[in-house]
Amino acid sequence: AQTVTQSQPEMSVQEAETVTLSCTYDTSESNYYLFWYKQPPSRQMILVIRQEAYKQQNATENRFSVNFQKAAKSFSLKISDSQLGDTAMYFCAFMSLQGAQKLVFGQGTRLTINP
Amino acid sequence: KAGVTQTPRYLIKTRGQQVTLSCSPISGHRSVSWYQQTPGQGLQFLFEYFSETQRNKGNFPGRFSGRQFSNSRSEMNVSTLELGDSALYLCASSPNRGPNYGYTFGSGTRLTVV
Repeated sequence: AQTVTQSQPEMSVQEAETVTLSCTYDTSESNYYLFWYKQPPSRQMILVIRQEAYKQQNATENRFSVNFQKAAKSFSLKISDSQLGDTAMYFCAFMSLQGAQKLVFGQGTRLTINP
Repeated sequence: KAGVTQTPRYLIKTRGQQVTLSCSPISGHRSVSWYQQTPGQGLQFLFEYFSETQRNKGNFPGRFSGRQFSNSRSEMNVSTLELGDSALYLCASSPNRGPNYGYTFGSGTRLTVV
Protein backbone atom coordinates (compact mmCIF):
# COMPACT_ATOMS: atom_id res chain seq x y z
CA ALA A 1 0.00 0.00 0.00
CA GLN A 2 1.12 3.51 -0.71
CA THR A 3 1.99 5.87 2.11
CA VAL A 4 2.66 9.60 2.16
CA THR A 5 4.68 11.28 4.89
CA GLN A 6 4.89 14.96 5.71
CA SER A 7 7.52 15.44 8.39
CA GLN A 8 6.77 19.07 9.24
CA PRO A 9 3.56 19.39 11.29
CA GLU A 10 3.87 23.19 11.44
CA MET A 11 5.84 25.93 9.74
CA SER A 12 5.83 29.68 10.07
CA VAL A 13 7.48 32.30 7.87
CA GLN A 14 7.31 36.04 7.28
CA GLU A 15 5.35 37.49 4.41
CA ALA A 16 7.34 37.65 1.14
CA GLU A 17 9.74 34.91 2.23
CA THR A 18 10.17 31.62 0.42
CA VAL A 19 9.12 28.43 2.17
CA THR A 20 9.53 24.76 1.27
CA LEU A 21 7.22 22.01 2.49
CA SER A 22 8.52 18.45 2.46
CA CYS A 23 6.78 15.27 1.37
CA THR A 24 8.00 11.73 0.86
CA TYR A 25 6.02 8.76 -0.36
CA ASP A 26 6.35 5.05 -0.73
CA THR A 27 5.16 3.06 -3.72
CA SER A 28 6.31 0.21 -5.90
CA GLU A 29 4.55 1.64 -8.96
CA SER A 30 6.19 3.62 -11.72
CA ASN A 31 3.19 5.57 -13.01
CA TYR A 32 1.28 7.79 -10.65
CA TYR A 33 0.33 11.36 -9.86
CA LEU A 34 1.33 13.55 -6.94
CA PHE A 35 -0.59 16.54 -5.68
CA TRP A 36 -0.38 19.39 -3.23
CA TYR A 37 -3.70 20.55 -1.80
CA LYS A 38 -4.33 23.59 0.35
CA GLN A 39 -7.06 23.64 3.00
CA PRO A 40 -7.80 27.11 4.42
CA PRO A 41 -10.19 27.63 7.36
CA SER A 42 -13.07 27.50 4.88
CA ARG A 43 -12.37 23.72 4.84
CA GLN A 44 -12.45 23.35 1.06
CA MET A 45 -9.49 21.42 -0.33
CA ILE A 46 -7.98 23.45 -3.16
CA LEU A 47 -5.58 21.95 -5.68
CA VAL A 48 -2.31 23.85 -5.67
CA ILE A 49 -0.21 21.84 -8.09
CA ARG A 50 -0.05 18.43 -9.75
CA GLN A 51 2.86 16.34 -11.00
CA GLU A 52 2.75 13.32 -13.29
CA ALA A 53 5.44 10.83 -12.35
CA TYR A 54 6.48 10.09 -15.91
CA LYS A 55 7.25 13.77 -16.53
CA GLN A 56 10.73 14.66 -15.36
CA GLN A 57 10.12 18.39 -15.57
CA ASN A 58 9.00 19.88 -12.28
CA ALA A 59 5.51 21.42 -12.29
CA THR A 60 5.10 25.16 -11.71
CA GLU A 61 2.00 27.25 -11.04
CA ASN A 62 2.78 30.94 -10.58
CA ARG A 63 4.44 31.26 -7.12
CA PHE A 64 4.19 27.52 -6.48
CA SER A 65 6.69 24.98 -7.74
CA VAL A 66 7.69 21.45 -6.86
CA ASN A 67 10.95 19.57 -6.60
CA PHE A 68 10.10 16.05 -7.73
CA GLN A 69 12.81 13.48 -7.10
CA LYS A 70 11.38 10.19 -8.34
CA ALA A 71 14.25 7.95 -7.29
CA ALA A 72 14.24 9.43 -3.79
CA LYS A 73 10.41 9.41 -3.71
CA SER A 74 10.40 13.01 -2.65
CA PHE A 75 7.93 15.72 -3.67
CA SER A 76 8.50 19.08 -1.99
CA LEU A 77 6.48 22.26 -2.53
CA LYS A 78 8.15 25.66 -2.75
CA ILE A 79 6.11 28.80 -2.22
CA SER A 80 7.86 31.96 -3.37
CA ASP A 81 6.99 35.49 -2.25
CA SER A 82 4.61 34.07 0.37
CA GLN A 83 1.38 35.96 1.04
CA LEU A 84 -0.95 36.13 4.01
CA GLY A 85 -3.54 34.25 1.97
CA ASP A 86 -1.19 31.28 1.77
CA THR A 87 -1.88 30.55 5.43
CA ALA A 88 -3.53 27.12 5.46
CA MET A 89 -3.03 23.40 5.96
CA TYR A 90 -1.13 21.86 3.08
CA PHE A 91 -1.56 18.23 2.16
CA CYS A 92 0.60 16.14 -0.10
CA ALA A 93 -1.30 13.36 -1.89
CA PHE A 94 -0.63 10.37 -4.13
CA MET A 95 -2.84 8.66 -6.67
CA SER A 96 -2.01 5.53 -8.57
CA LEU A 97 -2.91 5.03 -12.21
CA GLN A 98 -3.72 1.42 -11.42
CA GLY A 99 -6.17 -0.08 -9.00
CA ALA A 100 -8.36 2.07 -6.78
CA GLN A 101 -8.81 5.65 -7.93
CA LYS A 102 -8.25 7.23 -4.55
CA LEU A 103 -6.09 9.96 -3.12
CA VAL A 104 -3.71 8.91 -0.35
CA PHE A 105 -2.94 11.92 1.80
CA GLY A 106 -0.14 12.83 4.14
CA GLN A 107 -0.88 14.16 7.63
CA GLY A 108 -0.54 17.76 6.53
CA THR A 109 1.63 20.78 7.34
CA ARG A 110 0.08 23.82 8.98
CA LEU A 111 1.66 26.86 7.34
CA THR A 112 1.35 30.30 8.87
CA ILE A 113 2.44 33.41 7.00
CA ASN A 114 3.13 36.27 9.42
CA PRO A 115 2.79 39.95 8.44
CA LYS B 1 -19.86 27.58 -12.86
CA ALA B 2 -21.06 26.24 -9.52
CA GLY B 3 -18.62 24.18 -7.49
CA VAL B 4 -19.16 21.00 -5.53
CA THR B 5 -22.01 21.52 -3.09
CA GLN B 6 -22.26 19.56 0.12
CA THR B 7 -25.24 19.72 2.43
CA PRO B 8 -25.67 20.24 5.25
CA ARG B 9 -22.55 22.10 6.35
CA TYR B 10 -23.00 21.13 9.98
CA LEU B 11 -24.82 18.28 11.64
CA ILE B 12 -25.18 17.11 15.22
CA LYS B 13 -26.45 13.60 15.84
CA THR B 14 -26.81 11.28 18.81
CA ARG B 15 -25.05 7.94 19.14
CA GLY B 16 -27.08 5.17 17.53
CA GLN B 17 -28.82 7.43 15.04
CA GLN B 18 -28.21 7.37 11.33
CA VAL B 19 -27.29 10.24 9.03
CA THR B 20 -27.35 11.00 5.31
CA LEU B 21 -24.98 13.49 3.70
CA SER B 22 -25.43 14.90 0.23
CA CYS B 23 -22.98 15.91 -2.49
CA SER B 24 -23.86 17.65 -5.75
CA PRO B 25 -20.90 17.54 -8.15
CA ILE B 26 -19.95 20.14 -10.71
CA SER B 27 -22.26 19.95 -13.70
CA GLY B 28 -20.92 17.37 -16.15
CA HIS B 29 -18.76 15.60 -13.59
CA ARG B 30 -19.52 11.90 -13.41
CA SER B 31 -17.14 10.71 -10.72
CA VAL B 32 -17.76 11.39 -7.03
CA SER B 33 -15.47 10.36 -4.18
CA TRP B 34 -15.91 10.69 -0.43
CA TYR B 35 -13.26 11.22 2.25
CA GLN B 36 -13.36 11.35 6.02
CA GLN B 37 -11.10 13.84 7.80
CA THR B 38 -10.34 13.52 11.51
CA PRO B 39 -7.52 14.99 13.64
CA GLY B 40 -6.27 11.52 14.56
CA GLN B 41 -6.54 9.58 11.29
CA GLY B 42 -6.21 12.44 8.84
CA LEU B 43 -7.87 12.14 5.44
CA GLN B 44 -9.11 8.67 4.55
CA PHE B 45 -10.85 7.46 1.41
CA LEU B 46 -14.40 6.21 1.87
CA PHE B 47 -15.79 5.42 -1.60
CA GLU B 48 -15.74 6.30 -5.27
CA TYR B 49 -18.80 6.32 -7.48
CA PHE B 50 -18.96 6.54 -11.24
CA SER B 51 -22.02 6.10 -13.43
CA GLU B 52 -24.15 5.15 -10.43
CA THR B 53 -21.81 2.29 -9.49
CA GLN B 54 -19.49 2.04 -6.54
CA ARG B 55 -16.07 1.47 -8.04
CA ASN B 56 -13.95 1.41 -4.90
CA LYS B 57 -14.46 1.34 -1.16
CA GLY B 58 -12.04 2.23 1.61
CA ASN B 59 -11.42 0.32 4.80
CA PHE B 60 -14.55 1.34 6.67
CA PRO B 61 -17.21 -0.82 8.36
CA GLY B 62 -20.44 -1.71 6.62
CA ARG B 63 -22.22 1.05 8.57
CA PHE B 64 -20.85 3.41 5.94
CA SER B 65 -22.66 3.21 2.64
CA GLY B 66 -23.40 5.42 -0.30
CA ARG B 67 -25.02 5.72 -3.65
CA GLN B 68 -24.98 7.83 -6.77
CA PHE B 69 -28.00 8.93 -8.74
CA SER B 70 -28.45 9.27 -12.49
CA ASN B 71 -27.73 13.02 -12.28
CA SER B 72 -24.38 12.17 -10.59
CA ARG B 73 -25.46 13.52 -7.21
CA SER B 74 -24.26 11.30 -4.41
CA GLU B 75 -25.30 10.54 -0.88
CA MET B 76 -23.49 8.77 1.88
CA ASN B 77 -25.16 7.19 4.85
CA VAL B 78 -23.79 6.22 8.22
CA SER B 79 -25.96 4.01 10.39
CA THR B 80 -25.72 3.34 14.12
CA LEU B 81 -23.52 6.37 14.68
CA GLU B 82 -20.57 6.13 17.05
CA LEU B 83 -18.65 8.93 18.74
CA GLY B 84 -15.68 8.12 16.53
CA ASP B 85 -17.69 8.98 13.43
CA SER B 86 -17.39 12.65 14.32
CA ALA B 87 -15.46 14.11 11.42
CA LEU B 88 -15.41 16.40 8.43
CA TYR B 89 -16.77 14.50 5.43
CA LEU B 90 -15.47 15.78 2.12
CA CYS B 91 -16.78 15.05 -1.33
CA ALA B 92 -14.76 15.46 -4.52
CA SER B 93 -15.95 15.35 -8.10
CA SER B 94 -14.16 14.79 -11.38
CA PRO B 95 -15.25 14.76 -15.03
CA ASN B 96 -14.13 11.17 -15.38
CA ARG B 97 -12.14 8.51 -13.56
CA GLY B 98 -8.41 8.96 -13.20
CA PRO B 99 -6.05 11.54 -11.70
CA ASN B 100 -5.38 13.26 -15.01
CA TYR B 101 -8.89 14.76 -14.93
CA GLY B 102 -8.45 16.59 -11.65
CA TYR B 103 -10.57 16.50 -8.52
CA THR B 104 -12.58 19.42 -7.12
CA PHE B 105 -13.58 19.28 -3.48
CA GLY B 106 -16.55 20.69 -1.67
CA SER B 107 -16.39 22.47 1.68
CA GLY B 108 -17.50 19.38 3.56
CA THR B 109 -20.08 18.44 6.14
CA ARG B 110 -18.97 18.67 9.75
CA LEU B 111 -20.64 15.80 11.63
CA THR B 112 -20.61 15.78 15.41
CA VAL B 113 -21.87 12.70 17.24
CA VAL B 114 -22.81 13.24 20.89
